[in-house]
Amino acid sequence: EDQVTQSPEALRLQEGESSSLNCSYTVSGLRGLFWYRQDPGKGPEFLFTLYSAGEEKEKERLKATLTKKESFLHITAPKPEDSATYLCAVPTNFGNEKLTFGTGTRLTIIP
Amino acid sequence: GAVVSQHPSWVICKSGTSVKIECRSLDFQATTMFWYRQFPKQSLMLMATSNEGSKATYEQGVEKDKFLINHASLTLSTLTVTSAHPEDSSFYICSATGTGDIRAFFGQGTRLTVV
Repeated sequence: EDQVTQSPEALRLQEGESSSLNCSYTVSGLRGLFWYRQDPGKGPEFLFTLYSAGEEKEKERLKATLTKKESFLHITAPKPEDSATYLCAVPTNFGNEKLTFGTGTRLTIIP
Repeated sequence: GAVVSQHPSWVICKSGTSVKIECRSLDFQATTMFWYRQFPKQSLMLMATSNEGSKATYEQGVEKDKFLINHASLTLSTLTVTSAHPEDSSFYICSATGTGDIRAFFGQGTRLTVV
C-alpha cells in the first residue's frame, strides 16, 4: 500500500532560522512528488513537482529535493509569512492521478 | 500555475436542505476533478474522483446518494450535499488535473456550516 509520512508534525522557528521538513514515501513506481502550502481556511497552493531522484526545485526561500525514499523541503531564513501547513503528496493510481497525502507539517515562524 | 475557482467560499444552510458547490478550471481543461473533505488540523480526505462525462468514483465510506457529483464539462464539476445535517459541516475542497499533466491544482475551498 502506498504511504506518505511527514515529519515533524509541527515546527516552530525563529525568523531567520533555517530548517528542513521531511516527507518519506513508499509507492510502487513513483511518477512524481508534490509539495503544497496550505494556509488556514484555504485550499492547498501548488509549490513544486519533483519527478526523479536527485532533482531539486527552488522558489524564493524554499528548496525541494528528492531521493529514492524521501523528499525534503528546505526553508532558508524564513519569514513570518512562511507560516503555513506544508503538505506533500504522490499520485498513486495510474489513470486518474489520485493523490495520497501526508498529514502535513504545521510551520510557525516567530518574529 | 493553473487556476481552479471554487464557489461559494462559505455557506450556511438549514438542516434538511441541499447545497451545491461549484468547482471551475479557469485556464485549462480538467479531465479529472477530485473532491476532498478536511476536518480541523487534519489532512485532506478524498471523497470522490470524477472524469468528464462519466459517473464519479466514490471512496469507501462516502455516501454517493448524499454527495452528488456532476462533471458535465471539462471546466466544471459540482458537489451537491443533499439533505444536509450538522455532521456534514466541514471544509470541502476540489482539485483538478489536465490532460497529460499529473499535477493537481486546488480550489480555495468551501466552508459549509449546517445549522
